[in-house]
Amino acid sequence: EAGVAQSPRYKIIEKRQSVAFWCNPISGHATLYWYQQILGQGPKLLIQFQNNGVVDDSQLPKDRFSAERLKGVDSTLKIQPAKLEDSAVYLCASSLGPGADTEAFFGQGTRLTVV
Amino acid sequence: QKEVEQDPGPLSVPEGAIVSLNCTYSNSAFQYFMWYRQYSRKGPELLMYTYSSGNKEDGRFTAQVDKSSKYISLFIRDSQPSDSATYLCAIGPGGYNKLIFGAGTRLAVHP
Repeated sequence: EAGVAQSPRYKIIEKRQSVAFWCNPISGHATLYWYQQILGQGPKLLIQFQNNGVVDDSQLPKDRFSAERLKGVDSTLKIQPAKLEDSAVYLCASSLGPGADTEAFFGQGTRLTVV
Repeated sequence: QKEVEQDPGPLSVPEGAIVSLNCTYSNSAFQYFMWYRQYSRKGPELLMYTYSSGNKEDGRFTAQVDKSSKYISLFIRDSQPSDSATYLCAIGPGGYNKLIFGAGTRLAVHP
């Protein structure tokens, strides 16, 4: 079974530029998550989708971050404009359902460096 | 006070040692307790999951939850160099899968 696919693996941009990350979840997984993991910290949930609807985006900095999952399958996360503090690994995860007892499978992440 | 506190380490132990990793949490409403392992430059992978107080064992790994003290532990017996990774505790309030992760403890097991 293929895992969660993310691209690109690495990205370096200058502050105030824009960047987009792509995620393809495990086939059949209705729930998709984007996490931000700053160096030395645990992952922090940015947004959770159930199919193509948003379940939780309370920690998404909506003035600069946006995410979509138009057809309920793959998803993109965009940052515009980027700030230095956005340097982090952006992890995508997916699960069969939204419940806390449903295992979430993580991709390898996209490492973003903002200079 | 952070919702989930975890000692970041690093923790260095010899092969074969028993390792104890711990987290504390602040909200007694949390119901789900998980341990994830994260190898360098990889995403986290689920190791252990429990939703009740007590112990749960899986091979060399034992997860322990003490809800009265708001304290969770992961024990690794007969540690191996392949166990070298960052271990993240993750705690959830139930309902939607909104896990709150600890900062992670970096473990190095040397031969």
